[in-house]
Amino acid sequence: QVQLVESGGGVVQPGRSLRLSCAASGFTFSSYAMHWVRQAPGKGLEWVAGISYDGSNQYYAGSVRGRFTISRDKSKNTLYLQMNSLRAEDTALYYCAKDGHSGSLHGYFDYWGQGTLVTVSS
Amino acid sequence: QSVLTQPPSASGTPGQRVTISCSGSSSNIGSNYVYWYQQLPGTAPKLLIYRNNQRPSGVPDRFSGSKSGTSASLAISGLRSEDEGDYYCAAWDDSLSGVLFGGGTKLTVL
Repeated sequence: QVQLVESGGGVVQPGRSLRLSCAASGFTFSSYAMHWVRQAPGKGLEWVAGISYDGSNQYYAGSVRGRFTISRDKSKNTLYLQMNSLRAEDTALYYCAKDGHSGSLHGYFDYWGQGTLVTVSS
Repeated sequence: QSVLTQPPSASGTPGQRVTISCSGSSSNIGSNYVYWYQQLPGTAPKLLIYRNNQRPSGVPDRFSGSKSGTSASLAISGLRSEDEGDYYCAAWDDSLSGVLFGGGTKLTVL
């Protein structure tokens, strides 16, 4: 069965960096685009970034473009999110999500992890 | 403020039919598929409807989706207490080159 397990969250000061990881299993990781979606406490869902199945294309929400970098390692079946220049408004539960269609990025999510919490606070 | 507009709340009694609307524009709903996600309290979101009106395996046929122009809707028939939670629409936006979510609708089963 598909499993997505996020890690790397924690408390970080504004302006600092953090790297999230998502270990994937139960499907052919290298065949699917992957995404990060976040949810601030008590708020709705916000798509953060997506990466194509082969890592050649990355897409970002305007709120994180230039600060966050999405990447993937097919040898480790792992998705990453490097978060730099963190702000208080980046505080959220960060979900890793699998794209619902193999091949090109379709922008919908058929499996989600349980999330890892990032808190940006001094 | 979300570019996809949903009502913040909806409610119904057990057995009733409720609909949740999602309004967008030509760059998102008007030219791309709409997806719906269900988030029950304390859990990760779950894909409910894909490509406007398709149900993933395991999703009851009480849930249905439709799209017309730049708007979409989710209908839930035979409402049950376990349907209580938050519902989000989403679509790719060609102008932003990214995924947009609606603000979410909190469904209460009275």
